[in-house]
Amino acid sequence: GESVGLHLPTLSVQEGDNSIINCAYSNSASDYFIWYKQESGKGPQFIIDIRSNMDKRQGQRVTVLLNKTVKHLSLQIAATQPGDSAVYFCAAKPNSGYALNFGKGTSLLVTP
Amino acid sequence: GAVVSQHPSRVICKSGTSVKIECRSLDFQATTMFWYRQFPKQSLMLMATSNEGSKATYEQGVEKDKFLINHASLTLSTLTVTSAHPEDSSFYICSGSQGPSNQPQHFGDGTRLSIL
Repeated sequence: GESVGLHLPTLSVQEGDNSIINCAYSNSASDYFIWYKQESGKGPQFIIDIRSNMDKRQGQRVTVLLNKTVKHLSLQIAATQPGDSAVYFCAAKPNSGYALNFGKGTSLLVTP
Repeated sequence: GAVVSQHPSRVICKSGTSVKIECRSLDFQATTMFWYRQFPKQSLMLMATSNEGSKATYEQGVEKDKFLINHASLTLSTLTVTSAHPEDSSFYICSGSQGPSNQPQHFGDGTRLSIL
């Protein structure tokens, strides 16, 4: 079955530094991956996605890297800001069906 | 774009009450909607998947008679927690997806359900 996990449950970074959040998945048939940001008391907010035919995708201040060989996904946030403090989830979707499998989440704390 | 509205945001009610939660896609047609449950400091657990006009598919361990899901239109899905008990207290979140399976799910802001 699918298993999506995060290497670090919490991450503390200084404002202005770059953040890297990691995620591992177990199902090699996963073909679509999404990073979500969840602030306290709110629903997850879409950040960026990547399909399995890509290994890198960039957005505004964020980059997602996909390494299918080792089934690893990472989210890089450049110049981290206090507003980036939240819990970040990776999610993976197998190549059949619609359901996403969510990781446990990493809590990112940005300190001034 | 891709906004999902969930209502109510918070419900506090007595044990035995049935509670209905609405999930609306405001600016897109959600052919598939999902209902999740989230406990404090934990990840999202998928409860059920519903496609417009058809019966919901429930995940293992989720009682379909307890959690009634209706997806009557492309913009509205409802979750009714029937005869709620304190153990049903949780954060319930819905999401909608526009169509092809490789599209992101867009989430509502959740409903905090507290059963006394």
